[in-house]
Amino acid sequence: GENVEQHPSTLSVQEGDSAVIKCTYSDSASNYFPWYKQELGKRPQLIIDIRSNVGEKKDQRIAVTLNKTAKHFSLHITETQPEDSAVYFCLTGGTSYGKLTFGQGTILTVHP
Amino acid sequence: DTAVSQTPKYLVTQMGNDKSIKCEQNLGHDTMYWYKQDSKKFLKIMFSYNNKELIINETVPNRFSPKSPDKAHLNLHINSLELGDSAVYFCASSQVQGGSGTQYFGPGTRLLVL
Repeated sequence: GENVEQHPSTLSVQEGDSAVIKCTYSDSASNYFPWYKQELGKRPQLIIDIRSNVGEKKDQRIAVTLNKTAKHFSLHITETQPEDSAVYFCLTGGTSYGKLTFGQGTILTVHP
Repeated sequence: DTAVSQTPKYLVTQMGNDKSIKCEQNLGHDTMYWYKQDSKKFLKIMFSYNNKELIINETVPNRFSPKSPDKAHLNLHINSLELGDSAVYFCASSQVQGGSGTQYFGPGTRLLVL
């Protein structure tokens, strides 16, 4: 299956700082790169995604950047707030079956 | 008007028992999934169904048997439960097959095997 590496596994920042989480993948056929947020005790929910024909996408304080040549994509959160504290997952797949793989998750803690 | 629902929310049972988890989605999606999230938060796909047909069957013990009576439902039956089966099981659905569409997750079923 797809090999996905997500880093860091934990990230602690002060409110107002920026946070960056990176995922590296192995399947060059992957063409869809979403990020999911999972708050404590809740279900994972999509927060932003990017497709392989776009290099960057932004939605208010969050952005995703994609480097297809290097096979990595990153989640950027600016002006972090305590409610951003959660586990964040990347997901790779594309259109091939059997290659849906979540990253290992990043526990983000934003200190007030 | 919950999009993806699962029952039960909590399940506590003894080793060796058989249990089922039910999942229903009202989004009109053709594709449904079962995921297992362990204590370290790793999310791993177990099964994927497209329009009632099994598409993905990852390396999962055959004690786990999914069943899709129609494309809005995907149930998971587990035989001879073991301690290592304790986890949170998430059902999900998506409009698009494979990994190129948004996954809509259910609330999860927290299974504890004693």
